[in-house]
Amino acid sequence: DAKTTQPPSMDCAEGRAANLPCNHSTISGNEYVYWYRQIHSQGPQYIIHGLKNNETNEMASLIITEDRKSSTLILPHATLRDTAVYYCIALIYNQGGKLIFGQGTELSVKP
Amino acid sequence: DSGVTQTPKHLITATGQRVTLRCSPRSGDLSVYWYQQSLDQGLQFLIQYYNGEERAKGNILERFSAQQFPDLHSELNLSSLELGDSALYFCASSVDQSGYEQYFGPGTRLTVT
Repeated sequence: DAKTTQPPSMDCAEGRAANLPCNHSTISGNEYVYWYRQIHSQGPQYIIHGLKNNETNEMASLIITEDRKSSTLILPHATLRDTAVYYCIALIYNQGGKLIFGQGTELSVKP
Repeated sequence: DSGVTQTPKHLITATGQRVTLRCSPRSGDLSVYWYQQSLDQGLQFLIQYYNGEERAKGNILERFSAQQFPDLHSELNLSSLELGDSALYFCASSVDQSGYEQYFGPGTRLTVT
């Protein structure tokens, strides 16, 4: 599985879009990008995943660059409840369900 | 609420003891995963079961074991406990065995004194 690199921390103003970057320059063609978050010692929460195309769901949007070497998770209107550690994980689909969490990005949403 | 339940929420025990953590997956999910989160190691995958059978193993210590029962609930057994086993233990479930879309329970906080 490709290694991912994320900034250790970011701040965002409440109501603004939070853009969380992830670098996965060694990603292979069959690796998906998954995003999870963990709010203060709660169980991690699945957010979104994608392979090549941009994806959107009720929680967030995922923008993957054309060369797939990086991606951005977008929370369109961040709230205080979005303060969490966000994890970007690159995985080959159907190779078992083992999630490997890195250090993630600690997002602080401020009023 | 993810639909995954874990008991107990908190557990305090002494070194050398044995404990059992229990997990009930979401209705319809066949895979159960166990993860450990400690301050120095972060979130680490321990083991996966699918429909009663072991499917994948991470860096799970030999003192730890798990099983998944016919009703699909799972138990993680930790024995000969050491201070370093103090951690949050999460259970997650998914529909199938390749499930990266996993739903996590609230965790069991284990403190070994």
